[in-house]
Amino acid sequence: DTEVTQTPKHLVMGMTNKKSLKCEQHMGHRAMYWYKQKAKKPPELMFVYSYEKLSINESVPSRFSPECPNSSLLNLHLHALQPEDSALYLCASSQEWSEPYGYGYTFGSGTRLTVV
Amino acid sequence: SQQGEEDPQALSIQEGENATMNCSYKTSINNLQWYRQNSGRGLVHLILIRSNEREKHSGRLRVTLDTSKKSSSLLITASRAADTASYFCATDGWSSYKLIFGSGTRLLVRP
Repeated sequence: DTEVTQTPKHLVMGMTNKKSLKCEQHMGHRAMYWYKQKAKKPPELMFVYSYEKLSINESVPSRFSPECPNSSLLNLHLHALQPEDSALYLCASSQEWSEPYGYGYTFGSGTRLTVV
Repeated sequence: SQQGEEDPQALSIQEGENATMNCSYKTSINNLQWYRQNSGRGLVHLILIRSNEREKHSGRLRVTLDTSKKSSSLLITASRAADTASYFCATDGWSSYKLIFGSGTRLLVRP
């Protein structure tokens, strides 16, 4: 299995809702990431998990709450989002955080989130 | 900021022609990577070049890195309509290990 699977593919939520994005990989990668991408912009790093521990939080608002229940799974819990949070949320993984061993990151196809 | 800038922002070429995209960055890096993104979906890793390497090839792709100028280029030879996508460079900061993406080049290959 050489994929990162993200669910759901599309999500529409109200500003008072609570929802979660899910990301799964079975490549034995020890680092996992959340990126946010607005239309026609590059992906922006949100969180880095290394060996299931949060290593980097890029000053992301607390309405985004990441969780890494095990080495294969990464969640992003969403609560009280704003319309400007609408974006494509991308999950990625790599063998190690500090050493990609020439293979780079493997990205999922993303969750397109719309906040209404 | 570590973020790279790419130029051109958009490039339109005829099928069979070569496409060259350039990336500049600001801080010392461990490696530089190139990714492709189709239609705003997931990114696909194309090639990684380490800071002590100057050139790397993969199929129709050729990447160069000039650390003295903090710049890299991606050459796609004999382009195909299927190469139409956005291309991003991404740098892995020397001490931060954060992978930060450049602004991207939108490539259109006309059949």
